[in-house]
Amino acid sequence: EPEVTQTPSHQVTQMGQEVILRCVPISNHLYFYWYRQILGQKVEFLVSFYNNEISEKSEIFDDQFSVERPDGSNFTLKIRSTKLEDSAMYFCASSATGAHGYTFGSGTRLTVV
Amino acid sequence: KQEVTQIPAALSVPEGENLVLNCSFTDSAIYNLQWFRQDPGKGLTSLLLIQSSQREQTSGRLNASLDKSSGRSTLYIAASQPGDSATYLCAVRRDQGAQKLVFGQGTRLTINP
Repeated sequence: EPEVTQTPSHQVTQMGQEVILRCVPISNHLYFYWYRQILGQKVEFLVSFYNNEISEKSEIFDDQFSVERPDGSNFTLKIRSTKLEDSAMYFCASSATGAHGYTFGSGTRLTVV
Repeated sequence: KQEVTQIPAALSVPEGENLVLNCSFTDSAIYNLQWFRQDPGKGLTSLLLIQSSQREQTSGRLNASLDKSSGRSTLYIAASQPGDSATYLCAVRRDQGAQKLVFGQGTRLTINP
């Protein structure tokens, strides 16, 4: 069964550093998403991406965050200057169409120290 | 603003029991609802997707129902097994297209051998 692949599985970074989280969505999917889950809290929406542009973003997704689809397969989330409160599990997801369900990756655990 | 609530927050039952997990949402104007399973420290695995026009979906021992007008969904697990132990999340989608999912906080299920 096709999978959404995320790398790395765990990243530790110092406060103020830039991080890039990488995702390879399912190849024929058109819609791409990033979510995050702070330990013990709900899964929260960050951003959706379709047709090479952001479709929707949450209030969490401020100027410190950006997304990119640099080639035909990768989808990245960049955090420019990490804060302690950015520590969370970050999930990438994709869907074939707007009507289909989501497929999530296994996540990247980001720890900011 | 859509709010999703799951009751109970945690549930512990002996192996073999049938059980029901509940999900409620405040805005009945949804496009679909998806149930996920999350193992500790892992990603989200899709279990069932119910479109707003459907009343229920079944997969093996799992059955999910949807009552859109009352803002409720239930996940029924038959003949529970220790391997069913996980956190179960429900999430609703407002519309098709690149629309975000709004998640509940989950029900942590423990099946005791």
